[in-house]
Amino acid sequence: KAGVTQTPRYLIKTRGQQVTLSCSPISGHRSVSWYQQTPGQGLQFLFEYFSETQRNKGNFPGRFSGRQFSNSRSEMNVSTLELGDSALYLCASSFTLAGVNEQFFGPGTRLTVL
Amino acid sequence: KNEVEQSPQNLTAQEGEFITINCSYSVGISALHWLQQHPGGGIVSLFMLSSGKKKHGRLIATINIQEKHSSLHITASHPRDSAVYICAVSAGANSKLTFGKGITLSVRP
Repeated sequence: KAGVTQTPRYLIKTRGQQVTLSCSPISGHRSVSWYQQTPGQGLQFLFEYFSETQRNKGNFPGRFSGRQFSNSRSEMNVSTLELGDSALYLCASSFTLAGVNEQFFGPGTRLTVL
Repeated sequence: KNEVEQSPQNLTAQEGEFITINCSYSVGISALHWLQQHPGGGIVSLFMLSSGKKKHGRLIATINIQEKHSSLHITASHPRDSAVYICAVSAGANSKLTFGKGITLSVRP
């Protein structure tokens, strides 16, 4: 099976712009989670989508949003970019086995905000 | 206090040494995950544990649910094991992971 893919891999934006990142999960996985990784805060959970519905949300401002399509592909959007949004954005797809989710991570999108 | 604590913060070892990385957590969990991240960013899931012990090649992971503690052991360490090792926990069927800060391991030849 192909792994989790994320596009683009690298992105440079300026403050105030908006950005959309894409994640294609492993075939058959219906859950997609998004994470932000920064040197200062480490890895933090953004949100999770399951069957086109947001199932869980982390503590991020409303500028961060996402959606999931019927084929389980997911996008996240960040509006009005700030310098502090510079980070590695990772998505992970998962399936549930015996009540527990095993997650498979994509390579990430490295966003730089100038 | 963070919900997931890892120790030591940084670790340097000589090739061939036995390495132990620890993780403690303060919340109820359904599973604990050990992740590996090499320079460049990609994260690989090494283990997902809800009890006992798992082994994969030179890697062994254990968890003690009563003590809320897990260890990752690397036997016969090799320079290619140099990476950041991250412990994360999840609750129920919830996909939300809560992460430790990670430990940077450097294995010298």
